[in-house]
Amino acid sequence: DAGVTQSPTHLIKTRGQQVTLRCSPKSGHDTVSWYQQALGQGPQFIFQYYEEEERQRGNFPDRFSGHQFPNYSSELNVNALLLGDSALYLCASSSRVSFSYEQYFGPGTRLTVT
Amino acid sequence: QKEVEQNSGPLSVPEGAIASLNCTYSDRGSQSFFWYRQYSGKSPELIMFIYSNGDKEDGRFTAQLNKASQYVSLLIRDSQPSDSATYLCAVNWGGNTPLVFGKGTRLSVIA
Repeated sequence: DAGVTQSPTHLIKTRGQQVTLRCSPKSGHDTVSWYQQALGQGPQFIFQYYEEEERQRGNFPDRFSGHQFPNYSSELNVNALLLGDSALYLCASSSRVSFSYEQYFGPGTRLTVT
Repeated sequence: QKEVEQNSGPLSVPEGAIASLNCTYSDRGSQSFFWYRQYSGKSPELIMFIYSNGDKEDGRFTAQLNKASQYVSLLIRDSQPSDSATYLCAVNWGGNTPLVFGKGTRLSVIA
């Protein structure tokens, strides 16, 4: 049973650049949520995708956008990168259709903005 | 604004002892409660969830929920050095609503 996968593992970008992070949910899951975890903090909710639409959004600027594909995988895009965007980006999957709402995290993508 | 509070620690316990981790939350509308374990440099791993008042046991772990006091705890019996990690408490409104996390409590189990 494949768990949540994310790519890439690590990424180094320069201020002002754009980045795309990818996530494949756990087998049988249809909902993907993205979180940002700064050093020493708990994860903070960015947004959630279900049925290829953004369903809920946290307190993040429009520079953060996403997409969900028909196979339930998802992308997180961040434009005009700032130094403060350096963090661990986590994808979590869950299942709405089977009422299995526990969220399971992938290994994360460590983004460093220089 | 929903807040989840945890003591940052570190909480140090000897091997074989019971570790007690605590969490309070501000939103009385919170419905579901989760404990995640996060090793340094890794992602959070779900270890327990609880929806109803009372205790829920899974192996060496027991989650306790008191909605009247807005308090969740995690007990780890027979603590092992491999339990040394940061434990994150998270709550939501039920269903697929977003998780709100505390900052985590760092646990150190001393051999």
